Amino acid sequence: SQTIHQWPATLVQPVGSPLSLECTVEGTSNPNLYWYRQAAGRGLQLLFYSVGIGQISSEVPQNLSASRPQDRQFILSSKKLLLSDSGFYLCAWSGVGEQYFGPGTRLTVT
Amino acid sequence: AQKVTQAQTEISVVEKEDVTLDCVYETRDTTYYLFWYKQPPSGELVFLIRRNSFDEQNEISGRYSWNFQKSTSSFNFTITASQVVDSAVYFCALSDHPGDYGGSQGNLIFGKGTKLSVKP
Repeated sequence: SQTIHQWPATLVQPVGSPLSLECTVEGTSNPNLYWYRQAAGRGLQLLFYSVGIGQISSEVPQNLSASRPQDRQFILSSKKLLLSDSGFYLCAWSGVGEQYFGPGTRLTVT
Repeated sequence: AQKVTQAQTEISVVEKEDVTLDCVYETRDTTYYLFWYKQPPSGELVFLIRRNSFDEQNEISGRYSWNFQKSTSSFNFTITASQVVDSAVYFCALSDHPGDYGGSQGNLIFGKGTKLSVKP
């Protein structure tokens, strides 16, 4: 069966510091991969999606970036965090159907 | 443009009550897919159901049931005999081609969610 991992689970970072969140999927090949952000009390916002290695599409322009160095690895990065980057970051994968989500990373920028 | 509206921000019920969560969607596509996800306090989104636009049959899974009506663009979710463990935020979502490749197809458009609190 397929599983999706995210780490770290929680993170507290100062403004201006870099960010790297990692997501890996097991048990499937060539999945579509997604990064979402959920701000406090709000819905989910799609940030990036990827249909293959090195293929990244951005839905929202911002100071975040994403990379897919391996088939089942998806990384969310920032060179300099902003206060507004605080939120709950969820990674998801899909094959030819619904999306399945990871446990999420709760990021607090101070 | 695609849009999902969950007008109920918060609902509070007492255990064993039935509760219906409303979802209204907008799309110009003739083929589309609707989803419900549950987000318990732990944060992880749990997939509940997917329904395609050609299948208007209602679905029942244990205490959960879904009523899809294309005529009113609604995909409502009912929990029968609610339990405390049902307390969560529930999201309705829409996609034109889930899992498809390229462009924005396959991406989910989420409603803002409905927070359900079931009290003992």
